[in-house]
Amino acid sequence: ETGVTQTPRHLVMGMTNKKSLKCEQHLGHNAMYWYKQSAKKPLELMFVYNFKEQTENNSVPSRFSPECPNSSHLFLHLHTLQPEDSALYLCASSLTGVGTEAFFGQGTRLTVV
Amino acid sequence: GQQVMQIPQYQHVQEGEDFTTYCNSSTTLSNIQWYKQRPGGHPVFLIQLVKSGEVKKQKRLTFQFGEAKKNSSLHITATQTTDVGTYFCAGQETGSNYKLTFGKGTLLTVNP
Repeated sequence: ETGVTQTPRHLVMGMTNKKSLKCEQHLGHNAMYWYKQSAKKPLELMFVYNFKEQTENNSVPSRFSPECPNSSHLFLHLHTLQPEDSALYLCASSLTGVGTEAFFGQGTRLTVV
Repeated sequence: GQQVMQIPQYQHVQEGEDFTTYCNSSTTLSNIQWYKQRPGGHPVFLIQLVKSGEVKKQKRLTFQFGEAKKNSSLHITATQTTDVGTYFCAGQETGSNYKLTFGKGTLLTVNP
């Protein structure tokens, strides 16, 4: 247990569905991240939030919409996804500062059908 | 933007053989971190290197940070089946105080 909790652990959704992934940490971290991990592109950084402000969007399609209501919670809202979006979605958090390690959640295994 | 390259992408060894993975950054790093992801698991922090030329050991694992702080290596001596997994390096660029850029990882498989 890393202190970063992701729900759900597994999700199957149709291309017309809307779903949300949730990430929660109570480690006192102020930076939170969404990563996509697939066979083709391991650990692809999607979004970064620092002190609730989005600081990075790595050219992610608009069908992925992040939300960070506070430093402890991070969401990834999904709508009209494509089968190629099937992947493991990992949330991570860290302190802000030089040399701070990232703590990963166990991930949500997403399958788009 | 910063890029972190890692080689090899895959490595298969016989149990007892040594293993090395290499990491190179396009920019100077303030520190480099190594993570291990077991099959079906999530990345877990192993170690961090900060100083130029730094070498750290964890049992059979030896980590090095280059003099120019742009490259790093992880060496495992006498691999065991428990070493199986993907090893990622992650660099924190000088001037950044939180963002990590991960390499693509090296998947290590060990034949018993």
